[in-house]
Amino acid sequence: GGIITQTPKFLIGQEGQKLTLKCQQNFNHDTMYWYRQDSGKGLRLIYYSITENDLQKGDLSEGYDASREKKSSFSLTVTSAQKNEMAVFLCASSMGQGGYAEQFFGPGTRLTVL
Amino acid sequence: AQSVTQPDARVTVSEGASLQLRCKYSYSGTPYLFWYVQYPRQGLQLLLKYYSGDPVVQGVNGFEAEFSKSNSSFHLRKASVHWSDSAVYFCALSGDNNNRIFFGDGTQLVVKP
Repeated sequence: GGIITQTPKFLIGQEGQKLTLKCQQNFNHDTMYWYRQDSGKGLRLIYYSITENDLQKGDLSEGYDASREKKSSFSLTVTSAQKNEMAVFLCASSMGQGGYAEQFFGPGTRLTVL
Repeated sequence: AQSVTQPDARVTVSEGASLQLRCKYSYSGTPYLFWYVQYPRQGLQLLLKYYSGDPVVQGVNGFEAEFSKSNSSFHLRKASVHWSDSAVYFCALSGDNNNRIFFGDGTQLVVKP
C-alpha cells in the first residue's frame, strides 16, 4: 500500500499572504489533484496534473498556483489569502491518466485566514 | 457537461435500519461511477465503483449500489446500518473521455443509537 502525506495539517495565515501547501505520495501514481472543500460542501477541483511538470486548471484555479516538479509531489500556493477564508484542501492521486481510476486522498490541510 | 446531484444533504436513520442514499448523474457518454466516504477530519475513501456489467456492485462494509441508465442514478444501499457508518458520503462521476472526477455535494449520514 501507499500513503499520501499533506503538510502542514493546519495553516493559519494573514490576509494577503502567500501560502504554500505540500502533498507527497508514494503510490507512484501518475495523476495528482488538489481540491478545496468548504464546510458542509462538496469537493471543488483547483488543479490537477497528469504527469511531472504538467498542470491542468480545474473549476476553481483563480487565486491559486500549483507546481509538479517531481512525480511524487504536488504543491499548491494560495497567491493572496482572503480574510475569513476557511477551508480544507485535499490532495489526491490516481494511477494512470484516466478519470476512471480510483483516487486516493490525503487527510487534508485546514486553512484559516485571519 | 457532467454533473452529480445528491438530493439529500442529511439523512438520519436508526441503528439496524436499512439505508438508501440517492445519487443522480448527468452525462451523455459512458459513465464511471463511484461512492466515497469521509469520516470526520479525514480524507475520502472509496466504498465502491461501477464501470460496466452487473448494475449492482458490492463494496466494503456491506454497502452496495445499483446503476440505472434509464434513471441516470447510482443509489447506495445498506441492509443494516451501524453507528460507525455515520459519515459524509459522496457520489462521483467520471467519463470515458476525461481524466477527472466530478463530485456531488455529499450526504451526511447520522445513525442514531
